[in-house]
Amino acid sequence: SQQGEEDPQALSIQEGENATMNCSYKTSINNLQWYRQNSGRGLVHLILIRSNEREKHSGRLRVTLDTSKKSSSLLITASRAADTASYFCATAAGGTSYGKLTFGQGTILTVHP
Amino acid sequence: GAVVSQHPSWVICKSGTSVKIECRSLDFQATTMFWYRQFPKQSLMLMATSNEGSKATYEQGVEKDKFLINHASLTLSTLTVTSAHPEDSSFYICSARLAGGRGSTDTQYFGPGTRLTVL
Repeated sequence: SQQGEEDPQALSIQEGENATMNCSYKTSINNLQWYRQNSGRGLVHLILIRSNEREKHSGRLRVTLDTSKKSSSLLITASRAADTASYFCATAAGGTSYGKLTFGQGTILTVHP
Repeated sequence: GAVVSQHPSWVICKSGTSVKIECRSLDFQATTMFWYRQFPKQSLMLMATSNEGSKATYEQGVEKDKFLINHASLTLSTLTVTSAHPEDSSFYICSARLAGGRGSTDTQYFGPGTRLTVL
């Protein structure tokens, strides 16, 4: 079952603007990951944030995690047309579900040149 | 970086036939591979977890006799869609997790996907 809810479902911005996508989940997690998917392609791993971390940066990406609210956000700064893609959050549980990812519904990002 | 390949990238078959999709980790060993299914404009749904040398673990609602999974080596897992029907048409994506136990990375590396169309 899909645990993650993402919003917005679609986001359209101009090049140079920042894009923020949010993800909420329901159960406790070991870590949360963000992936990008270009149309009809596989997934590209962007960033992983563990449950004991609150913020993580990678290049133009900034991810926050609030385990008390069971939510995460992905910020892409100074967006480019090449950032146009679908973005998914995925939660990884521990215990017997270790390693299994549950994906959110995704946000379709369109960056206009 | 860790690369995962899938073959074929797309396949069209007639209803009732079986189709085999391969997932390979090219430059690392993967004790665990995962198979996902994605319908157009939807998210990925985990179908099964494939462990090298043992039976796959299927998610609830996934028919194990319909979707046969074999993980014969640390670099290869196969998904066979048996007696395919049009409703099986979908995008199938595999992922592989680096071997090394819980102390290693939790990152999954995804293949490029296989688009299956059943006529």
